Amino acid sequence: DQQVKQNSPSLSVQEGRISILNCDYTNSMFDYFLWYKKYPAEGPTFLISISSIKDKNEDGRFTVFLNKSAKHLSLHIVPSQPGDSAVYFCAASALTGTASKLTFGTGTRLQVTL
Amino acid sequence: DTGVSQDPRHKITKRGQNVTFRCDPISEHNRLYWYRQTLGQGPEFLTYFQNEAQLEKSRLLSDRFSAERPKGSFSTLEIQRTEQGDSAMYLCASSSGTAGNEKLFFGSGTQLSVL
Repeated sequence: DQQVKQNSPSLSVQEGRISILNCDYTNSMFDYFLWYKKYPAEGPTFLISISSIKDKNEDGRFTVFLNKSAKHLSLHIVPSQPGDSAVYFCAASALTGTASKLTFGTGTRLQVTL
Repeated sequence: DTGVSQDPRHKITKRGQNVTFRCDPISEHNRLYWYRQTLGQGPEFLTYFQNEAQLEKSRLLSDRFSAERPKGSFSTLEIQRTEQGDSAMYLCASSSGTAGNEKLFFGSGTQLSVL
């Protein structure tokens, strides 16, 4: 049962253009969402997060949008740069006890071409 | 470097052997997590510690797996009688702050190959 879904395994975007990565979730208990970026042979690196009380959060070139009614979030990268080429994971959290147990999607590989 | 450190980076072992991995979290972080990632999948939660107390274990964590965090500092993850299905990247993460909206900081992982 995949509670967090990233239906696009890969995405190719030209440098300077917008990259849009999508994520859907099924568990209505999720109330906090994060995006992580992963390079080969490295651990995931935190990128940006959003709480369910918001519908948008922005940090520099990165913006995350949350549509709770559709159980959908997206990550926008503008403008895309070659260094953004990596695997992007969407993750969702529902408070359990005293910790944030993250449920990850399967990832989208972004390639930014020159 | 004050990030999360994991050792070793790579481990190759034969089926049936025991292996142990170590994680050194960011020093001021009181929560420590173990995740496992297989090819083509996202990381999956295994277990977490609040200081030295292990507070939750996933059903993915069979009785061959044991994790410790003595004195609430570094943590070890041991796999006994390894099986080929244990081959994966084992990721450690640490965090602090308010539970429910915290950011996890991951180490580079230990890649385990069971032959």
